[in-house]
Amino acid sequence: KNEVEQSPQNLTAQEGEFITINCSYSVGISALHWLQQHPGGGIVSLFMLSSGKKKHGRLIATINIQEKHSSLHITASHPRDSAVYICAVKGSGSRLTFGEGTQLTVNP
Amino acid sequence: DTAVSQTPKYLVTQMGNDKSIKCEQNLGHDTMYWYKQDSKKFLKIMFSYNNKELIINETVPNRFSPKSPDKAHLNLHINSLELGDSAVYFCASSLEGASGYTFGSGTRLTVV
Repeated sequence: KNEVEQSPQNLTAQEGEFITINCSYSVGISALHWLQQHPGGGIVSLFMLSSGKKKHGRLIATINIQEKHSSLHITASHPRDSAVYICAVKGSGSRLTFGEGTQLTVNP
Repeated sequence: DTAVSQTPKYLVTQMGNDKSIKCEQNLGHDTMYWYKQDSKKFLKIMFSYNNKELIINETVPNRFSPKSPDKAHLNLHINSLELGDSAVYFCASSLEGASGYTFGSGTRLTVV
């Protein structure tokens, strides 16, 4: 069992829908990251969280340390949001441990 | 003025060859990483260097040898390439105590 589990693995939505991607982890962490990987392959860091909630434009990330769970929400989704979203956790060291990613497709 | 730059972006080579991938960051970060992304898009740490010192060395065949000439560079040399080495290799960097990682654009290695 992976230390970081994401759900769903694949998600298809219509433009404008509210989207939620979930991440659960089983180890102690110092921070959790949400990453975005577009079809071209580049990886972009969206958020780093250690508690609470962060918002950037239409993206919102939350974390519940006690429940070892984080969610990434996208409001008013758009086809350009189509990408793989990856949850990654940072333990006491500097390395990241990754979830398997969620492939999001937003149809117009 | 790309923050983390990897070269080459694509690399196609025959089995048994030796190849290198270079990575440079101009962010002043003190830690650099190599990650491997397999065909299922799963990312896994290979190596990490902090200020030129190896701090993470996962279970990677010793055909893979990282080299950090200075804290802005982390190169990956691969000897005797095998078909199973085909993957996308990402370089990344971070600053101790600061937020966020910055990733390079990846190197797609295809071994034929």
